[in-house]
Amino acid sequence: DVKVTQSSRYLVKRTGEKVFLECVQDMDHENMFWYRQDPGLGLRLIYFSYDVKMKEKGDIPEGYSVSREKKERFSLILESASTNQTSMYLCASVATVNTEAFFGQGTRLTVV
Amino acid sequence: AQSVTQPDIHITVSEGASLELRCNYSYGATPYLFWYVQSPGQGLQLLLKYFSGDTLVQGIKGFEAEFKRSQSSFNLRKPSVHWSDAAEYFCAVSFRSNDYKLSFGAGTTVTVRA
Repeated sequence: DVKVTQSSRYLVKRTGEKVFLECVQDMDHENMFWYRQDPGLGLRLIYFSYDVKMKEKGDIPEGYSVSREKKERFSLILESASTNQTSMYLCASVATVNTEAFFGQGTRLTVV
Repeated sequence: AQSVTQPDIHITVSEGASLELRCNYSYGATPYLFWYVQSPGQGLQLLLKYFSGDTLVQGIKGFEAEFKRSQSSFNLRKPSVHWSDAAEYFCAVSFRSNDYKLSFGAGTTVTVRA
């Protein structure tokens, strides 16, 4: 089975902190994605990467950055956390462009 | 930009009754279409997908969906709902012409009453 693992299920951080959310997949997938999920808004794409060291902005990249130094790992970085970044963050991995996305369990981040 | 619309925010259905969840997309190109389900506290699980061919696709848990190009729709159906089908359902779409970015609808929450 494909496994996408997010490092934390729950995080509480203070405003202004630098926050790292880690995602690892074990199936050698090229494409990885970061979404945030908010009630009534569904999943919104923050960033995606289709290869090591490659990244593309999604629909809501402001306040976020990403890093992909190894194929299996895709990190989401909140440079200076703010309360409006309190959300559920979901990482996804896709083998090739027209196959299904596999999701991690999500990280619920609270910024206080 | 591509967008996905799920017109129903919340649907309540009796156990054993039929269920239909609506999904419409915009963009124009040939889409790849997906339905995902998220149970409380769980991640997203793929129910079914459409890439090409037969426009009626079968998925897991007794779900099916029909792609209607003329209506830009991909509605999800189940003939007889079980209490375990209570969850949030997301329609998603990607396009080759848009780097295959997967866009999601806002979701439909399904409540099943006994």
